[in-house]
Amino acid sequence: ETGVTQTPRHLVMGMTNKKSLKCEQHLGHNAMYWYKQSAKKPLELMFVYSLEERVENNSVPSRFSPECPNSSHLFLHLHTLQPEDSALYLCASSQEPTGNYGYTFGSGTRLTVV
Amino acid sequence: AQRVTQPEKLLSVFKGAPVELKCNYSYSGSPELFWYVQYSRQRLQLLLRHISRESIKGFTADLNKGETSFHLKKPFAQEEDSAMYYCALHTGGFKTIFGAGTRLFVKA
Repeated sequence: ETGVTQTPRHLVMGMTNKKSLKCEQHLGHNAMYWYKQSAKKPLELMFVYSLEERVENNSVPSRFSPECPNSSHLFLHLHTLQPEDSALYLCASSQEPTGNYGYTFGSGTRLTVV
Repeated sequence: AQRVTQPEKLLSVFKGAPVELKCNYSYSGSPELFWYVQYSRQRLQLLLRHISRESIKGFTADLNKGETSFHLKKPFAQEEDSAMYYCALHTGGFKTIFGAGTRLFVKA
């Protein structure tokens, strides 16, 4: 599949669980992003990776831990989440790190914390 | 403060009518603005960039620095234009700020 692929599409987890979200891009882009989309709120930037190096951490709680092993893959490790963390988590990539050409988004992972 | 405001949560127009989705921004630097669209059951996708001065699917958007606006316009709305539209401001570095979105509903 071309573009940005996110797995799983849906995830339900308990507050004591540990899970990971995966994002993969086959576009040759150099930057990848995690965004959170909550109901009735604008998209919130969480993390930015440029050439596998984290360049932005937008005051995200430590229960969210990103990992970028290479320029094509991005993970978001989750542990001891809270119900208010339930949201749609979007991964995006851009051609170059500054994002001047806009983003390509994945379909998102719908996370429910119970 | 850096901010993007889309004042309308919902905009409903008849097919063939002109449509304008409003976007205002707050940013002291030189802005780079985008419109993204999300059709039903599809992923969020880039519609157009102000620096390209392009027209995509009949939509255009002009940056007005005096009014700090980047409104999205189309002279004749089509039913397939019904979607969620997000205005976004790239503030330099690695940050892009999104507005809350406007749902456009085009009635037959």
